[in-house]
Amino acid sequence: AQKVTQAQTEISVVEKEDVTLDCVYETRDTTYYLFWYKQPPSGELVFLIRRNSFDEQNEISGRYSWNFQKSTSSFNFTITASQVVDSAVYFCALLKGGYQKVTFGTGTKLQVIP
Amino acid sequence: DTGVSQNPRHKITKRGQNVTFRCDPISEHNRLYWYRQTLGQGPEFLTYFQNEAQLEKSRLLSDRFSAERPKGSFSTLEIQRTEQGDSAMYLCASSQTRDPSPPYYEQYFGPGTRLTVT
Repeated sequence: AQKVTQAQTEISVVEKEDVTLDCVYETRDTTYYLFWYKQPPSGELVFLIRRNSFDEQNEISGRYSWNFQKSTSSFNFTITASQVVDSAVYFCALLKGGYQKVTFGTGTKLQVIP
Repeated sequence: DTGVSQNPRHKITKRGQNVTFRCDPISEHNRLYWYRQTLGQGPEFLTYFQNEAQLEKSRLLSDRFSAERPKGSFSTLEIQRTEQGDSAMYLCASSQTRDPSPPYYEQYFGPGTRLTVT
């Protein structure tokens, strides 16, 4: 069975601070995909990034960066110089290779205070 | 390219009534998914279609729930004899298969239909 744990329920930061959202996953599969989605107050889930289990190269995209470590089953997400528009619920998710069912974590609510 | 649309956005119904939601996927997408999201939780997979065929159903999808995608375009999700526990956000997503097949197809989500059962 797949499981995604986001231990941080809510985080508050002051604008321009950096913030890291933690994600720990469980799977017995060797092929899987990890995602981060953002859900603003409007409710629509917005895809941010996907990582394959065989690609541990970390990436920086603008103010976003991701740290994927298979050894610790973690897929953490960092926002640099946070902005008020980053305020949302962020979900980490896992997909088993060859399947369609995405397993989501419970989400981390990020509040960026001006 | 319009995104995934869902109607209605909000639905309030009395316990025991039937409700139906509609999802219009991105036009060229042949896969369509339904998820349910309760307050403070992440979305939970309910079912998915490839074209008009319903290929997978979660155990969460009780006999009171039925989903259809008659022509492989829009989809409907019906809940019969609603219960208060059905109150949730119902999310629809779509994706497009390609040839040659990549190992994963990115899912694009709609804004959801929020159901409140009183």
